[in-house]
Amino acid sequence: ETVMTQSPATLSVSPGERATLSCRASQSVSSNVAWYQQKPGQAPRLLISGASTRATGIPARFSGSGSGTEFTLTISSLQSEDFAVYYCQQYNNWPPFTFGPGTKVDIK
Amino acid sequence: QVQLAESGGGLVNPGGSLRLSCAASGFTFSDYYMSWIRQAPGKGLEWLSYISGGGNAIYYADSVKGRFTVSRDNAKNSLYLQMNSLRAEDTAVYYCARDALLDAYYNWFDPWGQGTLVTVSS
Repeated sequence: ETVMTQSPATLSVSPGERATLSCRASQSVSSNVAWYQQKPGQAPRLLISGASTRATGIPARFSGSGSGTEFTLTISSLQSEDFAVYYCQQYNNWPPFTFGPGTKVDIK
Repeated sequence: QVQLAESGGGLVNPGGSLRLSCAASGFTFSDYYMSWIRQAPGKGLEWLSYISGGGNAIYYADSVKGRFTVSRDNAKNSLYLQMNSLRAEDTAVYYCARDALLDAYYNWFDPWGQGTLVTVSS
């Protein structure tokens, strides 16, 4: 099973600042990583697939990078609506599909 | 537009059973693989099962293999999860999700339903 880890667990950021979230896979997953955003009481929403391709309607301030085992989600200038939990997920080595434990982005 | 709506959650005793449903609309349901994913209270996401469009290819997470059964009725545009021998640790919000792409081996989940809460407690 490919284990996904994320760091940090919590990231405190001021509005307008840049946020950098990390995700690591226990073995290579090529570029087959997706990122999801989840707000309280809501289902996860797709942000990024293929490690770097923004989903339809996702603002350009969200960007993804990486391949192999190291991945990054960057939010260039945090808006109030971006405070949420972010999960990475690998879909290269399945089954099982595996998610990271999440990074909570909260207001500093 | 594409929509998924889960139902069937509720309170069940340990050792009991429950059947969840996911109603799909806005796309050709029979063309897509579908998944069940759950989230325990305050915890992360756990993929549970995956079923092909025709229902002939099925995969499970080890945590539910032998206890949960996924199925689908393409005539009714519906996905199901039969959950037996439920344990307290199965308490979670259960989501159904569609493969984002048609006919792709490497696929992610998009969209997701709103989820249904299952509570296993006496």
